Parts: sequence; C-alpha cells; structure tokens
Amino acid sequence: EVQLVESGGGLVKPGGSLRLSCAASGFIFTTYTMNWVRQAPGKGLEWVSSISSSTEYIYYADSVKGRFTISRDNAKNSLFLQMHSLRADDTAVYYCSRDLRVGATRDYWGQGALVTVSS
Amino acid sequence: EIVLTQSPATLSLSPGESATLSCRASQNVYSHLVWYQQKPGQPPRLLIYDASIRATDIPARFSGSGSGTDFTLTISSLEPEDFAVYYCHQRSKWPRTFGQGTKVEIK
Repeated sequence: EVQLVESGGGLVKPGGSLRLSCAASGFIFTTYTMNWVRQAPGKGLEWVSSISSSTEYIYYADSVKGRFTISRDNAKNSLFLQMHSLRADDTAVYYCSRDLRVGATRDYWGQGALVTVSS
Repeated sequence: EIVLTQSPATLSLSPGESATLSCRASQNVYSHLVWYQQKPGQPPRLLIYDASIRATDIPARFSGSGSGTDFTLTISSLEPEDFAVYYCHQRSKWPRTFGQGTKVEIK
C-alpha cells in the first residue's frame, strides 16, 4: 500500500524557517518525481515544487523561489522541503504527492502538514 | 506561466442532475490536463488525466474532454458524494498551475 506521511509542520514566526519531511512507502521511491503542493486556509491548490527521481530536475513556483529548497533522500525514501524567510502568505497545508508518470493511472497524496506563519 | 480559468465558480445542482465544468488555459497545454476532486479536510483525488482518461477506481459518470486550451469535466448524474470542489491542473509546462476551482454544491 502506497503511503505518504508529512511531518514537520507547525507555528513559526515571520522570517523564520521550517523543514517539512515526507516519508514514502509502498512503492519504488527512486523511480518517481515527487511534488509539494500547498493550500492556504479556504483557498485553492497551489503547486510549490517538484523534484525528479534522480534530482536532475528541480522546479519551483515563483512565489517560493529563492526561499524554499526541495530535496530527497532516495536511500531513506524521504522527500523534504526546507523553507526560509517565511511569510504570512506561506500559511497553508502542505501536501506531498507522488507524481503521475507516463503509463500510470493514479497519483498519491499525503494527508498534509499545516504550516502557520504568525507572530 | 499558464493561467487556468475555471467556470463557473459555483454550480448549484440537485442529485441526479448533470454537471458541466469548464477549464480554459491561457496557452496550449495539448492534452496534459488533469482534474481533481477535493472534499473538506481531504487531499485532492485524481479523477481524469490526459484530459479524458479516468483514473483508477473513478466511476464512469465522470468524463473529461478537450485539448489545447479548452477542457470540460462532465458528471453525468450527480451522486450525493460528488458535491465537492473540482480543480483542473496543467502538467504541460513548468511551473505547473491549478485553476481556482469550481464548487459543486447541493441546490
């Protein structure tokens, strides 16, 4: 059974940092692109960042570029999102997801980790 | 960046009625468009990928069509569990983007 479990969310002050983790299991982690998608309270979905299986390709939304860093540890089946210079508008539930690759018929999402940026 | 515009923002319908949701892209995304359903407190659930292919375990009442810049999600006969928010999402170009969502609510 595929599972994605996010951790590391919490309350942080503006300008602070936080590191989210996503523990993956039930599939061959090393063969999938992984994503972070966020959702501010009461708002829509916003794609944040993606990292290819071998880390060759990394992409960011303009809203987080230069402040967030996506990474993965394929030996530990883990995905990370290091967030710096956090702002109030970064407050959101952050979802980890396994990308939908060619030939696949579904993707997978974690339950999300809430990040609250407030003084 | 590719902007996805969904319409309408809200659709008020009764169970048994059909729903037609629209998603328009600001640039050609070919068939690299997916639809998600999201219910409160839950992550999104993939319904349709490649514009028209139903994902695993998705009922046949959900169908997608379109290519290029204009896409449609149709729910042929609404079941009580279909009342939710629906998002389109383009996977054609980076950065990936989502539409703002269409809420399908009970009339």
